[in-house]
Amino acid sequence: GENVEQHPSTLSVQEGDSAVIKCTYSDSASNYFPWYKQELGKGPQLIIDIRSNVGEKKDQRIAVTLNKTAKHFSLHITETQPEDSAVYFCAASNTGFQKLVFGTGTRLLVSP
Amino acid sequence: NAGVTQTPKFQVLKTGQSMTLQCAQDMNHEYMSWYRQDPGMGLRLIHYSVGAGITDQGEVPNGYNVSRSTTEDFPLRLLSAAPSQTSVYFCASRGGGVGYVEQFFGPGTRLTVL
Repeated sequence: GENVEQHPSTLSVQEGDSAVIKCTYSDSASNYFPWYKQELGKGPQLIIDIRSNVGEKKDQRIAVTLNKTAKHFSLHITETQPEDSAVYFCAASNTGFQKLVFGTGTRLLVSP
Repeated sequence: NAGVTQTPKFQVLKTGQSMTLQCAQDMNHEYMSWYRQDPGMGLRLIHYSVGAGITDQGEVPNGYNVSRSTTEDFPLRLLSAAPSQTSVYFCASRGGGVGYVEQFFGPGTRLTVL
């Protein structure tokens, strides 16, 4: 089955810096790659996603890149703000978007 | 819309007890899922449903039962709780159709089994 690895497990940056979180996946048939943000005591919330027919997608300060050949995808957050502090999860799916396999999460801390 | 709601928020059980975690959504979504979240392991899929009357197993189904009698509700049953089932449980839903890919998660139920 699919296996998703996520790095780093923790990331500390200064406000205004950029943050990059990387994930690799094992199943070349995976075709959907969402990123979720989870704040303390809440459920995960989708922040951006990408499908396998696209190499890059951007939404304001957030961007995701996908390299199908290397089977890895990355989350880029520019101009970080303290409210970006949370746990971020990547995920992959090869079964029509329903069965997501998650990475182990990255705790991002943005210091003022 | 209330979105995805889960009850209870917290629960403590003794080994061997049974209970049902409730999940409801008011978005008329076809697809619903249950995940468990453990420290350092991300979220893992327990069971999912693609519509009323249809359920299937996910990655870690043992010890859990589900049913889907209505579109709105997708309860998760623990028949005989074990300490290994101590976790935070999340329910999620998404609409049907190719354009509806986002899964909406509930606030979670924190379960402790003693």
